Amino acid sequence: DIQMTQSPSSLSASVGDRVTITCRASQSISTNLNWYQQKPGKAPKVLIYSASSLESGVPSRFRGSGSGTDFTLTISSLQPEDFATYYCQKTYTPPWTFGQGTKVEIK
Amino acid sequence: EVQLVESGGGLVQPGGSLRLSCAASGFTFSSFWMHWVRQAPGKGLVWVSRIIGDGTTTDYADSVKGRFTISRDNAKNTLFLQMNSLRPEDTAVYYCARVKHGWYYFDYWGQGTPVTVSS
Repeated sequence: DIQMTQSPSSLSASVGDRVTITCRASQSISTNLNWYQQKPGKAPKVLIYSASSLESGVPSRFRGSGSGTDFTLTISSLQPEDFATYYCQKTYTPPWTFGQGTKVEIK
Repeated sequence: EVQLVESGGGLVQPGGSLRLSCAASGFTFSSFWMHWVRQAPGKGLVWVSRIIGDGTTTDYADSVKGRFTISRDNAKNTLFLQMNSLRPEDTAVYYCARVKHGWYYFDYWGQGTPVTVSS
């Protein structure tokens, strides 16, 4: 099975900072990669699908890029509501594996 | 309005069984692939299983294969997860999730139902 590795596992940042989270697949997954945001006690919410497509209603400060094995989620200017845990997920063929998550905390 | 409501979670002893349900409303249930995802306390998301719209194809994570069975009743708009031979490491909140039609991502999630496997 394809493994998904996110880095870093956590980071501290300030409001207004640019934040970058990376996700690496153990083999090529084309652009079959999604990004989710999860806040404590809540179900996850999709931000980016197919590596770079912004889900309707998601602020444009979220951007996804990459293909093959290396992917990036960038938050251009961190807002207070963005402090959460972010997960990448590979899809198309099962298993639809998640990365281990990146917790974004307030500095 | 799309709604997914899980139920059936609870406390069960190791080796026991539970059947989770996910009641769907607000959309044509039979047209959508559905998945189960779990999250152990304080841990990350783990994909568990998926079933296509007509129920003829299912897939499982290696960790649950042979113990869990996903199914659906399209007449009752309900998704199920039958969990047998439960282990302490199956303790988690279990979410059902809908796949966006024609795409490969989860656009709606339930609120989750907690399962605790302990003696």
